[in-house]
Amino acid sequence: EVQLVESGGGLVKPGGSLRLSCAASGFTFSTHSMNWVRQAPGKGLEWVSSIGSTGGYIYYADSVKGRFTISRDNANNSLYLQMNSLRAEDTAVYYCARGWLQLPFDYWGQGTVVTVSS
Amino acid sequence: DIQMTQSPSSVSASVGDRVTITCRASQYISSWLAWYQQKPGQAPKFLIYAASNLQSGVPSRFSGSGSGTDFTLTITSLQPEDFGTYYCQQANSFPITFGQGTRLEIK
Repeated sequence: EVQLVESGGGLVKPGGSLRLSCAASGFTFSTHSMNWVRQAPGKGLEWVSSIGSTGGYIYYADSVKGRFTISRDNANNSLYLQMNSLRAEDTAVYYCARGWLQLPFDYWGQGTVVTVSS
Repeated sequence: DIQMTQSPSSVSASVGDRVTITCRASQYISSWLAWYQQKPGQAPKFLIYAASNLQSGVPSRFSGSGSGTDFTLTITSLQPEDFGTYYCQQANSFPITFGQGTRLEIK
């Protein structure tokens, strides 16, 4: 059974940093591209970042470019999102999801909550 | 960036009704469109990919159609468990973008 489990969320002050993790199981992680998608309270889904299966291809939304860094550790079946210079507008539930261009986001984690507030 | 516009923003329908949600892309995306259902407090659930291909396990009352810029999600014979918010997503090019969502309420 495919499972994606996010962790690392919490309350952080504006300008602070957080590192989110997503632990994958039930599939061959190293052969699948991965993504982070977020959802602000009461709002819709916003794609944040994608990384190819080997980490060679990386893309970011303009809203996080230069502040967030996506990475992966295929040996440990883990996906990460390093979030720096956090702003109030980064407050959201952050989901990791498997997928890529021309491929659906077919599996999603349960999400981890990030709150940026003083 | 490709903008995805869904309509209606919300719909209320009765059990047994047929519901259609439309999604329009601001640029040509071929058939690289997916649909998701999200219920309150839950992660999105993948329903349809490549505009019209039903994910395994999704009831056959769900169907998708369209190509290019105009797409539809149709639910025939609406069931109580179909409530939630539905999102379209273009997977043609980065940045990947989602529609704003359509909230489906069961009367």
